[in-house]
Amino acid sequence: AQSVTQPDIHITVSEGASLELRCNYSYGATPYLFWYVQSPGQGLQLLLKYFSGDTLVQGIKGFEAEFKRSQSSFNLRKPSVHWSDAAEYFCAVGAGGGSYIPTFGRGTSLIVHP
Amino acid sequence: EAGVTQSPTHLIKTRGQQATLRCSPISGHTSVYWYQQALGLGLQFLLWYDEGEERNRGNFPPRFSGRQFPNYSSELNVNALELEDSALYLCASSTGPGLTNEAFFGQGTRLTVV
Repeated sequence: AQSVTQPDIHITVSEGASLELRCNYSYGATPYLFWYVQSPGQGLQLLLKYFSGDTLVQGIKGFEAEFKRSQSSFNLRKPSVHWSDAAEYFCAVGAGGGSYIPTFGRGTSLIVHP
Repeated sequence: EAGVTQSPTHLIKTRGQQATLRCSPISGHTSVYWYQQALGLGLQFLLWYDEGEERNRGNFPPRFSGRQFPNYSSELNVNALELEDSALYLCASSTGPGLTNEAFFGQGTRLTVV
């Protein structure tokens, strides 16, 4: 069965600092990988996704993520964080066929200090 | 273009009662997904409907049920409410099966069971 681990429950960074949110997945074949962001009181918005090809994926709002098969990781990065980036971030993994249902991690809460 | 809309925004029920949550997908989307987001647990998959049929179900008891109407809107029913059913219920829609079809999320219904 597929699973996702986000080892950090909370991450605190200063505005302007770089950011890396960790995501590790468990899945036998090449996974479909996603990062979503949830602002307070909002639904989830897709930041970026990886299906195949280039392992460095660019997303919206200046975010990027790198798929590393050897480490079973899909970490989210941003070179300079803005106060508006404070939110909950979810990593998700899905199988290519079958259930079509992505499995979500528990989320990482990003706190941005001025 | 309207996004995924959910109603009501907030719902307060007493233990043992029934709750009905509604979801209107984006126009043209035939797939509707329901997730439960309980505090600290991330998103747990509940149900997936496509073209009016239930396609997949998560690991939830039968008192969680739903349906999809001919216009692709959907309803989630929770019977015999328990305190631990208190959570944010999120609906998402996509153009059809397959993880390459992006799922768009609504803002959720906050269900509180007292």
